[in-house]
Amino acid sequence: SQTIHQWPATLVQPVGSPLSLECTVEGTSNPNLYWYRQAAGRGLQLLFYSVGIGQISSEVPQNLSASRPQDRQFILSSKKLLLSDSGFYLCAWRPKGGQSPYEQYFGPGTRLTVT
Amino acid sequence: GIQVEQSPPDLILQEGANSTLRCNFSDSVNNLQWFHQNPWGQLINLFYIPSGTKQNGRLSATTVATERYSLLYISSSQTTDSGVYFCAVSSYRGSTLGRLYFGRGTQLTVWP
Repeated sequence: SQTIHQWPATLVQPVGSPLSLECTVEGTSNPNLYWYRQAAGRGLQLLFYSVGIGQISSEVPQNLSASRPQDRQFILSSKKLLLSDSGFYLCAWRPKGGQSPYEQYFGPGTRLTVT
Repeated sequence: GIQVEQSPPDLILQEGANSTLRCNFSDSVNNLQWFHQNPWGQLINLFYIPSGTKQNGRLSATTVATERYSLLYISSSQTTDSGVYFCAVSSYRGSTLGRLYFGRGTQLTVWP
């Protein structure tokens, strides 16, 4: 079966510091991968998506970036954090093909507080 | 993008009561998912239901794609059902991406 991991689970970082959040999927190959952010007030916003190694698309201009160095690894980064980057970051994957090819599965999330 | 509206925004129930959550969407979809966000924040997949009806224990869901709405039914509520319920859809437009558009959720609180 497939599982998705995210780390760290929680992070407190000062303004201006760098950021690296990691997401890894097991039990599947060549998935589509997504980064979402949930700010206060419940809404989820898509930040980045990837259809393959080295292929990243951004949905929202910001000081964050994403990379996919391996097939099942997705990394969210920033060189200098802003207060507005605080939130709950969720990684998700979906298979290409299969019985329910559009169904997405989410990781446990990383709660980021920028102070 | 697709607009997704959920109602009600908040729902407070006594244990044992039944409830219906609604999700309206503004365009044709190739995916509709219902999630439960637990107290730790994780999104738990409840249903993948772009059309039709499904049941899983005390929960069931119906999507009427032609009328662009979906309903989530919770019967005999338990305190563990508390949390936020999200509806999310993806569109035939840009379907190779499959990005999800989320509603703002329904906050369900079940009292013992």
